[in-house]
Amino acid sequence: DPKIIQKPKYLVAVTGSEKILICEQYLGHNAMYWYRQSAKKPLEFMFSYSYQKLMDNQTASSRFQPQSSKKNHLDLQITALKPDDSATYFCASSQDDWGREQYFGPGTRLTVL
Amino acid sequence: GEKVEQHESTLSVREGDSAVINCTYTDTASSYFPWYKQEAGKSLHFVIDIRSNVDRKQSQRLTVLLDKKAKRFSLHITATQPEDSAIYFCAGASGGNYKPTFGKGTSLVVHP
Repeated sequence: DPKIIQKPKYLVAVTGSEKILICEQYLGHNAMYWYRQSAKKPLEFMFSYSYQKLMDNQTASSRFQPQSSKKNHLDLQITALKPDDSATYFCASSQDDWGREQYFGPGTRLTVL
Repeated sequence: GEKVEQHESTLSVREGDSAVINCTYTDTASSYFPWYKQEAGKSLHFVIDIRSNVDRKQSQRLTVLLDKKAKRFSLHITATQPEDSAIYFCAGASGGNYKPTFGKGTSLVVHP
């Protein structure tokens, strides 16, 4: 059974629209993260959460908003989508908020037209 | 902020040989250095990590060396196998909250 679920696997959106990327982990971890991978930036840390609290935000734009309704959920809301937002978004988790041995989800591939 | 450079963009070795991937970092406050592996079309998988209180860590065929003076760390893979073929990412993070900076990745190809 997959331990980290990301939905959807593929997502196509139009410029200016809003989308929510879903992430759930069933590893009993206390910390969760979002990363982005694109041709321009191979791997980029975005957010970290620990016990549902935002620990770090490396994303300059307020268009990206993480949402944690439960300890094992960390969704990512993206508003006013731009073609530059096209990337694969990975959710990850670790036992604590020091990032050790992070487990990554399968990713959501977002294409903005 | 921290910058992590991965010096080899591609590395090609024969099965059974050793492979070495080198990274350098700029922030002297960095104290945690993980490595991740990404096979073609797949997600990332944690490989090994090292903290700044040691200069060497080994896990089976993998060894990470850390030279704090030179701000350099490296991943050594011995007895390479075709299944080691993947992109390897190094990263550096400072103490306190975890905000890693990644290198651009090294594509390792192990030829049978």
